[in-house]
Amino acid sequence: DSGVTQTPKHLITATGQRVTLRCSPRSGDLSVYWYQQSLDQGLQFLIQYYNGEERAKGNILERFSAQQFPDLHSELNLSSLELGDSALYFCASRRGSYPSYGYTFGSGTRLTVV
Amino acid sequence: AQTVTQSQPEMSVQEAETVTLSCTYDTSENNYYLFWYKQPPSRQMILVIRQEAYKQQNATENRFSVNFQKAAKSFSLKISDSQLGDTAMYFCAAGTWYSGGGADGLTFGKGTHLIIQP
Repeated sequence: DSGVTQTPKHLITATGQRVTLRCSPRSGDLSVYWYQQSLDQGLQFLIQYYNGEERAKGNILERFSAQQFPDLHSELNLSSLELGDSALYFCASRRGSYPSYGYTFGSGTRLTVV
Repeated sequence: AQTVTQSQPEMSVQEAETVTLSCTYDTSENNYYLFWYKQPPSRQMILVIRQEAYKQQNATENRFSVNFQKAAKSFSLKISDSQLGDTAMYFCAAGTWYSGGGADGLTFGKGTHLIIQP
């Protein structure tokens, strides 16, 4: 157990629908990062939150949004889902501000859009 | 912007052998750091080793070590005495950090599928 909790582990939904993925970072970690892993695009950084504020954006689609709550858990909202959104979505958290602290990943949410 | 390139889609070696996975990167940043992550069939992303770009000494973690050539922008991973449990996808990643304490998300390579044969 890495200490980063992601729910649900698996999600199957239809095109056009909206889903919410949840992430609880390791205790004490203020930064949360979302990544998408797909066969086509590989592992891509989507968005980062630090202590409730958006800090950096990567290749996140406009149909996707995220937020981090006061208790530091984060949610990634995916709307108007398309077949191509099927992927493994990872959340990672980071301890401390010094860069040598690696990112700790959750076990991911497998999203299947049918 | 950063790019990370792993030129070996798949490698296969015998148990107990030494294997080196290649990674090259490109960045315009001065402050960056490099990682190798392992992803076994369970899909969990596991940190293998990390290297701060300003450090000249190559990082080592037990059987895992890196050869960091900053001028060549090369960051290879050497696995000594390979074990069956080392079978996994290995991803090289780069990230930028800022003196104020922030750090961007990582840029990953496409990965190398390493197979350890008994």
